[in-house]
Amino acid sequence: GENVEQHPSTLSVQEGDSAVIKCTYSDSASNYFPWYKQELGKGPQLIIDIRSNVGEKKDQRIAVTLNKTAKHFSLHITETQPEHSAVYFCAASRGSGNTGKLIFGQGTTLQVKP
Amino acid sequence: GAVVSQHPSRVICKSGTSVKIECRSLDFQATTMFWYRQFPKQSLMLMATSNEGSKATYEQGVEKDKFLINHASLTLSTLTVTSAHPEDSSFYICSAGGTGRNYGYTFGSGTRLTVV
Repeated sequence: GENVEQHPSTLSVQEGDSAVIKCTYSDSASNYFPWYKQELGKGPQLIIDIRSNVGEKKDQRIAVTLNKTAKHFSLHITETQPEHSAVYFCAASRGSGNTGKLIFGQGTTLQVKP
Repeated sequence: GAVVSQHPSRVICKSGTSVKIECRSLDFQATTMFWYRQFPKQSLMLMATSNEGSKATYEQGVEKDKFLINHASLTLSTLTVTSAHPEDSSFYICSAGGTGRNYGYTFGSGTRLTVV
């Protein structure tokens, strides 16, 4: 089955610096790759997603890149702020994207130091 | 945007009792509902997938008789933890897959279950 590997497990940056989180997936049929932010005691919140027909997507200070050949995708946060501190999860699914299984990476705890 | 309401947010129950967790899609039809559990400082592990009106499909290692899932309507799915034990204590999260403009997955806010 699908396996998603996420690195690093923890990441500490200074406010204003960039943060990059990387994920690799095993199922070449995966075609939907969302990123979630989870705060303590809450459910995951979608921050950005990308489909397999797109190589890059940006939303203000957040961007995601996808390399289908290498089967990896990355989350880029620029000009980090303390409110970006949270646990981030990547995920992958196949099929129509909203009915296929969503498999999560192991998570990255991001700490942004003021 | 798409909203999934999950209740209760926290529940404490005694060993041997059953607990029901509800997930409702408030403004869209959830054709597919997913149930996850998450242990502290770990990732979300998919337990089962259910389609409205059909029996749930459970992931390997998940006891279907212990974790009963009902998805009787396009807006409501329930997870019942039967004969709960302390090792069932976890954070349970539902996710709904919608259609149309609500493409993607919308997560509930989670339920913290503590079995004493």
